[in-house]
Amino acid sequence: SAVISQKPSRDICQRGTSLTIQCQVDSQVTMMFWYRQQPGQSLTLIATANQGSEATYESGFVIDKFPISRPNLTFSTLTVSNMSPEDSSIYLCSVGQPRGSSYNEQFFGPGTRLTVL
Amino acid sequence: GENVEQHPSTLSVQEGDSAVIKCTYSDSASNYFPWYKQELGKRPQLIIDIRSNVGEKKDQRIAVTLNKTAKHFSLHITETQPEDSAVYFCAARPTGANSKLTFGKGITLSVRP
Repeated sequence: SAVISQKPSRDICQRGTSLTIQCQVDSQVTMMFWYRQQPGQSLTLIATANQGSEATYESGFVIDKFPISRPNLTFSTLTVSNMSPEDSSIYLCSVGQPRGSSYNEQFFGPGTRLTVL
Repeated sequence: GENVEQHPSTLSVQEGDSAVIKCTYSDSASNYFPWYKQELGKRPQLIIDIRSNVGEKKDQRIAVTLNKTAKHFSLHITETQPEDSAVYFCAARPTGANSKLTFGKGITLSVRP
């Protein structure tokens, strides 16, 4: 499977500021996703990062709050804007890799643990 | 949209016993069902998956079964070990280039030594 890295691994931020999280993959991947995992909770999809076009956001998530870039097939960023304590969470990058010709397996990066004070 | 439910929410077993974790899904178009294991402070790790054209799949001590008629699938862990203790997430995804995984809420498995 692809090797996925994220930066930073953790951060503590003040409310009202913004943080940009980077996701780097060691091989080209078609599908990249950003998830949020609140403490003790499941994985919630924020958006699909599309290479060369605007990200596709899930219900409840908007571009102004979570702008996403995907300049190429190995890299993406997620920005958490104008943060509040409710944004404290783990943010995970995920990639889809084809298994044979018929479906994709999905793998996760190590996550970024964000605490907003 | 798809709705995936897991039950029970917690499961405790004695080391060496078997553990079974069940999930149900709602969308009959779903045809891919992965299971993820997440240890404390770690990323979710894909441990096994099954597609809808298969009824059962095994990989050493773990197996997954799928009942398309009843819309449920289960993870079976035999000869459990303390290192199997983790949160397990099931997920489902329909066909389609833009289809997305829908995750269950997760089950905390504790293996008592």
